[in-house]
Amino acid sequence: DVKVTQSSRYLVKRTGEKVFLECVQDMDHENMFWYRQDPGLGLRLIYFSYDVKMKEKGDIPEGYSVSREKKERFSLILESASTNQTSMYLCASSSIRLGTGEAFFGQGTRLTVV
Amino acid sequence: AQRVTQPEKLLSVFKGAPVELKCNYSYSGSPELFWYVQYSRQRLQLLLRHISRESIKGFTADLNKGETSFHLKKPFAQEEDSAMYYCALSGTSYGKLTFGQGTILTVHP
Repeated sequence: DVKVTQSSRYLVKRTGEKVFLECVQDMDHENMFWYRQDPGLGLRLIYFSYDVKMKEKGDIPEGYSVSREKKERFSLILESASTNQTSMYLCASSSIRLGTGEAFFGQGTRLTVV
Repeated sequence: AQRVTQPEKLLSVFKGAPVELKCNYSYSGSPELFWYVQYSRQRLQLLLRHISRESIKGFTADLNKGETSFHLKKPFAQEEDSAMYYCALSGTSYGKLTFGQGTILTVHP
């Protein structure tokens, strides 16, 4: 069974903290994504990685960075958390090479910055 | 740039009524279009993709390149169709995936 796993379901962090959100997939997918999901705004792409150590900015990269040192793991980093980064964060993976490009999602991490 | 627009945030219908969720896209090349669904307390998952031209759970979607649309349709809505629906576009050779704002569908008994 296809699996994308996010390390935490819920996180509460203080303003100014450095926050790490971790995502692991076991499908040997080359593509991995980080989105944030907000009511009325849908899923907005933060960063996209199409290979190890390769990344591309999405629509809202400001205040975020990413790391992809291994194919199966994609980390989202909030350098200095702010209250406007309170949101649901979704990780996904896909492969054009292996199939149709269908994206598989993690269960989400609800981050609250206080 | 690639962009997806879903003009309706909320859509309410009664059971047995037809339903259409609208999706328009902007992309200069040949896109791949998808519909994803998120049921309450479940992960976001693929509903259907345009290249398959298949019907899933009674839903169909046709890609109209002239109107740059990919509307999702079902002739007879069921209560279990109530969910959040997202239209998505994959437009680059690497598979970058862009989503719309989502439409919450509520099917009343």
